[in-house]
Amino acid sequence: DTGVSQDPRHKITKRGQNVTFRCDPISEHNRLYWYRQTLGQGPEFLTYFQNEAQLEKSRLLSDRFSAERPKGSFSTLEIQRTEQGDSAMYLCASSPWTGGLNYGYTFGSGTRLTVV
Amino acid sequence: GQQLNQSPQSMFIQEGEDVSMNCTSSSIFNTWLWYKQDPGEGPVLLIALYKAGELTSNGRLTAQFGITRKDSFLNISASIPSDVGIYFCAGLRSGGKLIFGQGTELSVKP
Repeated sequence: DTGVSQDPRHKITKRGQNVTFRCDPISEHNRLYWYRQTLGQGPEFLTYFQNEAQLEKSRLLSDRFSAERPKGSFSTLEIQRTEQGDSAMYLCASSPWTGGLNYGYTFGSGTRLTVV
Repeated sequence: GQQLNQSPQSMFIQEGEDVSMNCTSSSIFNTWLWYKQDPGEGPVLLIALYKAGELTSNGRLTAQFGITRKDSFLNISASIPSDVGIYFCAGLRSGGKLIFGQGTELSVKP
């Protein structure tokens, strides 16, 4: 399978706990993106990486959220001290980036987080 | 956060009917994308539009990039039950960030 892989698919956690999600992008893609999607809405941009550099963060990404892509391959998204409002689907996507035009933007199946 | 205005929000149609949905924005995009999302899955790219006025087809799907670069529509002809799902438009911002619409939920009666 050469698609974008996310783990876990589902996570239920108690309020106040920390959680970490992993994304493995398509191997030749140097851009990696994180989005959050709540019920009945389209995905909303959180942050993105080009190789290992985090180039932009949305103001949706509070200081409880941190994302890393240490070797420019897989990425992790950590949420500290989870709140019920963090319950959502967290989607990862990857794309190649060649000459400023963006092709082959591919999403993973997402991690569904439920905070109880 | 910023989102595109997508309509209608939902559609209930009979198998075999044609479907049309559209997306508008107050700002210009240079690339428009249309995605389909099934329950519990990530969005899957259907069609990408790169030039104003462009009309692109993918099987029974046809999408157009508006001349003003502020709108796009998606048509599905001769709908079938597997067309059921949520359809999203998205505009591409600098850096590769996508701005999504709220989605159109399509239900198809056999």
